[in-house]
Amino acid sequence: AQKITQTQPGMFVQEKEAVTLDCTYDTSDPSYGLFWYKQPSSGEMIFLIYQGSYDQQNATEGRYSLNFQKARKSANLVISASQLGDSAMYFCATSGTYKYIFGTGTRLKVLA
Amino acid sequence: DAGVIQSPRHEVTEMGQEVTLRCKPISGHNSLFWYRQTMMRGLELLIYFNNNVPIDDSGMPEDRFSAKMPNASFSTLKIQPSEPRDSAVYFCASTLFSSGANVLTFGAGSRLTVL
Repeated sequence: AQKITQTQPGMFVQEKEAVTLDCTYDTSDPSYGLFWYKQPSSGEMIFLIYQGSYDQQNATEGRYSLNFQKARKSANLVISASQLGDSAMYFCATSGTYKYIFGTGTRLKVLA
Repeated sequence: DAGVIQSPRHEVTEMGQEVTLRCKPISGHNSLFWYRQTMMRGLELLIYFNNNVPIDDSGMPEDRFSAKMPNASFSTLKIQPSEPRDSAVYFCASTLFSSGANVLTFGAGSRLTVL
C-alpha cells in the first residue's frame, strides 16, 4: 500500500526567503513517481514538480526543487525566494501502478 | 487542449436527491481518477479507470456512490441518494500512462453542497 505523510499542517516564511516543505512516503512499488501540487485559495490543483524513483538527480523547476532522499523515503519541496503568490496549500503525492495517493497537505503563508 | 472539464462547478441539492457529476478528460489520456476533498479527510481517491475499465473502486465510500466511464472522453460520478456528509469538492483528473512522468492533470472541481 502507498502512503504519504506531511507532518507540517502550516508553515510561515518571510518573503524572499527559502522554505522546505516535508514529505515522506511509503510504497511497495519498485518504480514510482513523486509529485508536488499547489492549491491556491481559488481551489485548482496545480502541478509543480515531478521526481522519478530512478532519477539520479534531484528535480528542479524554476524556484522549485525536490530534495529526493530515497533511502530515507523523503521527497521534500524547496521553494526558493518565496513570493506572496506562493501562499497556498501544498500536496505531496506518490504514484505506483496506476494509483496516485496524496498527503494531507501543508498550508504555506508567505509574509510581506 | 481545454484541459480536464468538469460539470457542474457548483451543485446545491437536498438530502435524498440524486447527484451526477461529469468529467471530460484530456483527449488522448488513458487513465481517469475521481477524488473527493474535504477539510476533515483531505484528498481521497474514490475510483480510477484505465482504458475505460474501473481498476480500483475501494475508495468509494458506500453503495450510494457509483462511477462509470462509457467511453474515453466521458465519465460520471453519481450519488444516490445524497446525504449532507457528501458535501465536498469532487475532482476529476486524468493522465496518459507511459514511461514518462505521468503527471496527473486536474479539473477545476465540482463543489457539492447537500442540505
